[in-house]
Amino acid sequence: GDSVTQMEGPVTLSEEAFLTINCTYTATGYPSLFWYVQYPGEGLQLLLKATKADDKGSNKGFEATYRKETTSFHLEKGSVQVSDSAVYFCALSEESGAGNKLTFGGGTRVLVKP
Amino acid sequence: GAGVSQTPSNKVTEKGKYVELRCDPISGHTALYWYRQSLGQGPEFLIYFQGTGAADDSGLPNDRFFAVRPEGSVSTLKIQRTERGDSAVYLCASSSFPGNTIYFGEGSWLTVV
Repeated sequence: GDSVTQMEGPVTLSEEAFLTINCTYTATGYPSLFWYVQYPGEGLQLLLKATKADDKGSNKGFEATYRKETTSFHLEKGSVQVSDSAVYFCALSEESGAGNKLTFGGGTRVLVKP
Repeated sequence: GAGVSQTPSNKVTEKGKYVELRCDPISGHTALYWYRQSLGQGPEFLIYFQGTGAADDSGLPNDRFFAVRPEGSVSTLKIQRTERGDSAVYLCASSSFPGNTIYFGEGSWLTVV
């Protein structure tokens, strides 16, 4: 079945540092890929997505590129802020008769210190 | 409402009791999903509704879990004979149409003691 593997946290870094969170996936077809973010005390929010190979999703300074050859969708941000402290989830969905059911990775907690 | 609303936000119940968790999706959204998130893990799919019908219930762990959406809007997740292993955050999500962006509620935190 489908699965998503992402790097374990916590990831602790200083403000303005470069952030990378690795994500790889296993899927039978051609999934869409997502990054969701969960800020403290809030619900999951879609951060960005990519629906086909070589697509780049971007939002709030974050980027991720759909790499079919390496089955990866790594999340990057060039200069993090304290407000980026959150848990980040990589996810995929495959086309099916059941809507776009999401399969999530285990999440990576990021803590940005001033 | 503006977003997906879930009640209660927190529920503590004794082992063996019955629990209902309610989800009010974004107005007009036809697709509704339930997920379960255990501590330190990613959300796991439970069930998906398109309108009133459960289109995919393959994620329900056993027959103690059941969900309904009788009028195609509000949904209730029902858990019978709760066990300590059922303790988790239960997330509801909706989308305007299958394949569109999914919006999550803040979840109902269930603790079984």
